[in-house]
Amino acid sequence: GAVVSQHPSRVICKSGTSVKIECRSLDFQATTMFWYRQFPKQSLMLMATSNEGSKATYEQGVEKDKFLINHASLTLSTLTVTSAHPEDSSFYICSARRGAAQYTEAFFGQGTRLTVV
Amino acid sequence: DAKTTQPTSMDCAEGRAANLPCNHSTISGNEYVYWYRQIHSQGPQYIIHGLKNNETNEMASLIITEDRKSSTLILPHATLRDTAVYYCIVSNNAGNMLTFGGGTRLMVKP
Repeated sequence: GAVVSQHPSRVICKSGTSVKIECRSLDFQATTMFWYRQFPKQSLMLMATSNEGSKATYEQGVEKDKFLINHASLTLSTLTVTSAHPEDSSFYICSARRGAAQYTEAFFGQGTRLTVV
Repeated sequence: DAKTTQPTSMDCAEGRAANLPCNHSTISGNEYVYWYRQIHSQGPQYIIHGLKNNETNEMASLIITEDRKSSTLILPHATLRDTAVYYCIVSNNAGNMLTFGGGTRLMVKP
């Protein structure tokens, strides 16, 4: 099946610093990618929709200036957590759809465990 | 997207079939039923999806009732590695994101 690769899988950073997470579709082009966040023992919550060549669409309550999304190519989207704080510690997951057809499934990256100390 | 209801948790004996139910009584005609699972500390893994016909692949079978108001995911011979949270999602897709509910935590026991 299609593969979505996420990097890094785990990162620890100091409070106040920025962290960049990459999401790549390895064997298909993705005009749209999605970024989710998951806190312990909770389900995935959509943060934003990343659109190639245009601005990302953020869900209500997600600060666009804090979570910067760049989708510069059809195979790469990046999420940068700026001025990270301990409450930003979470599991971040990206996904991409292989095509725009109604029945296509989404594929997910392995996730990035962010710990802010 | 239509809302889904799943049991919070289920147990299954290793080697036996695991039948995971999902209710989606408000599903509309153009919405597909998707199943994903998430093993601890990993991203969700696609399992199977369908519209109205039953589907089978190398991982599982999906049985959708005739009125499409519920479905069952069947893992024919559960193994310990099938222990995970299983999410049933209904979506009209079209490039839209998936909305995750609470899922069912399946515990496969020796």
